[in-house]
Amino acid sequence: GESVGLHLPTLSVQEGDNSIINCAYSNSASDYFIWYKQESGKGPQFIIDIRSNMDKRQGQRVTVLLNKTVKHLSLQIAATQPGDSAVYFCAGTKTGANSKLTFGKGITLSVRP
Amino acid sequence: NAGVTQTPKFQVLKTGQSMTLQCAQDMNHEYMSWYRQDPGMGLRLIHYSVGAGITDQGEVPNGYNVSRSTTEDFPLRLLSAAPSQTSVYFCASKQGDLDTQYFGPGTRLTVL
Repeated sequence: GESVGLHLPTLSVQEGDNSIINCAYSNSASDYFIWYKQESGKGPQFIIDIRSNMDKRQGQRVTVLLNKTVKHLSLQIAATQPGDSAVYFCAGTKTGANSKLTFGKGITLSVRP
Repeated sequence: NAGVTQTPKFQVLKTGQSMTLQCAQDMNHEYMSWYRQDPGMGLRLIHYSVGAGITDQGEVPNGYNVSRSTTEDFPLRLLSAAPSQTSVYFCASKQGDLDTQYFGPGTRLTVL
């Protein structure tokens, strides 16, 4: 089966700095990846996704990079703000696998004022 | 749109009791799923449905039943609660296989 995991459990950054959150996956058949943000007491919220035919995708202040060779993806947050403090999850699946997303364990991002 | 709604927000059960966690979505999404979230474990898929009348097992289905009689509702039933089912439960929905998945606010369940 697939496992999706995050390298570090916590990340502390200074407000205004860029944040980079890393994630590794084990199933080379996975072709769709998603980053979620979860604030305390709330459900996960979609941030950005990427398909395996791309190696980079940009959103508003966020960029996801995918390296299929080493089965690694990262989430970059530009100019990190206090409102970015949350737990971040990566998730992966294979096209046609319906709802079978495999989630990583989560990393806590803490933004210092 | 209210999105994905879940009730109750909190529940305490005794071992052996049964209950149903409710989930509803008003986005006419075909796909609905139930996850549980435990500390250090991330989210794990319990059951999912790709349309009304169709359900299937996820990663951790034991001890849970689901049904999907309508597009809007996807209740999760605990037949005989066990302390190992203490967790936070999230319902999610999406329109298609690779579409954005929307999560509900969660139900925090404690089994004594």
